[in-house]
Order: sequence, then structure tokens, then C-alpha cells
Amino acid sequence: AQTVTQSQPEMSVQEAETVTLSCTYDTSENNYYLFWYKQPPSRQMILVIRQEAYKQQNATENRFSVNFQKAAKSFSLKISDSQLGDTAMYFCAFMKHAGSEKLVFGKGMKLTVNP
Amino acid sequence: KAGVTQTPRYLIKTRGQQVTLSCSPISGHRSVSWYQQTPGQGLQFLFEYFSETQRNKGNFPGRFSGRQFSNSRSEMNVSTLELGDSALYLCASSDTGTGRLNEQFFGPGTRLTVL
Repeated sequence: AQTVTQSQPEMSVQEAETVTLSCTYDTSENNYYLFWYKQPPSRQMILVIRQEAYKQQNATENRFSVNFQKAAKSFSLKISDSQLGDTAMYFCAFMKHAGSEKLVFGKGMKLTVNP
Repeated sequence: KAGVTQTPRYLIKTRGQQVTLSCSPISGHRSVSWYQQTPGQGLQFLFEYFSETQRNKGNFPGRFSGRQFSNSRSEMNVSTLELGDSALYLCASSDTGTGRLNEQFFGPGTRLTVL
């Protein structure tokens, strides 16, 4: 069974700073997908970024980028130029393969961006 | 396109009762997944339906069941409610079935409180 671990329960950062959220996972699969989701106080789960395990290049979406280390089974999220609207719970998630549609989530990390 | 909608948004029930939650996916999406979110257990996968068939199932007791209709709308039912069933129930839809990775879009959730 796959597991996803987010060891930092909570972090805070000043507006405009850069912050890195860590995530490790365990799987015996070779091809899989990793995601970072954001859940603001409204509770609406929003996809931030995703990474296909077979791609060596790290995914980037505007201010969000990942550091994917397949051998170490590590998948960290870097948020650059933090904004107040980035305040939310962040969840790392694993999907076994396209079409399985089953996401395995980590426990989440609460990020607070301070003005 | 309208997003994923879930009804009702809030629900209060007593132990022993049963409850039915509804999810309407984004138009054209054929896959609907359900997740339970609690402070203690985090986000856990309940089941996924695709073209009216249950394609994946999580590790929940038989009291939790679901179905999907021909228009892709899905319902989940919890019978003999227990206090521990109090949670936010999230529904997600995606346009899948082709083996391609597609984003899962989440609804706002139904907050169930069992007294």
C-alpha cells in the first residue's frame, strides 16, 4: 500500500518570501503521479501542481515548483513570492496510475502567510 | 462550465439514522470519487464510480455505499450512523476512462455532524 508523509504540521512565512513544504512517500510502483493540493478556509480543494514520475523534469506552475527526487521518494513544493492568498492547508497526494482516480493523501500542512 | 456541486452543504443527524449525500459532476465528466475528511484520519478515499460502475473502493465498512446514475450524478449513503462518521465528505469528478491523467475537480463538500 502507498503512504504519503508530511512531517511538518504547520509553517508560517512572511509575505513575498519563499517557503518549501516537504513530502515523502512510499510505493513499490515505478510509474505514478504526485500532486499538491491546496485547501483554503473555504474548504474547496484546489490542485496546485502535479508531477508524472516518469518525467525527470520538475513541474512548475507560475510561483509554484516542485523538487521531485524519485530515488529518495521525496516531493517538495516551493512557493516563491508568497502571497496572503496562499494561506491554506496543503496536501501532498499520490495516485498509482492514470485512470485509477484514487488519491492517497498526506495529513496536510497548515501554511500561514503573514503580512 | 459549472463546477462540482454537492448537496446538502450541511447536515445534522443522530446516531443510528441513515444519510444520503449527492454529487453532481462537471458536465461531461464520467468519473466521480468520494473522500472523507476528518481531523484525526485526514483525507481518506471512499470509492470511485465510472459509467455507473464502482471502479475503486477504499477501506470503509459496508455501511458506506454509493451509486452513480446514467447522467453521472452520484450519491453516497451511510447507514446506521456513528459518531465517528462526522466529517466533511468531498466529491471529485474527472474526465477519465482513456488512461490519460486528468485533473480531479473537487466540490465544496458536505459537512455531516452526527449527534
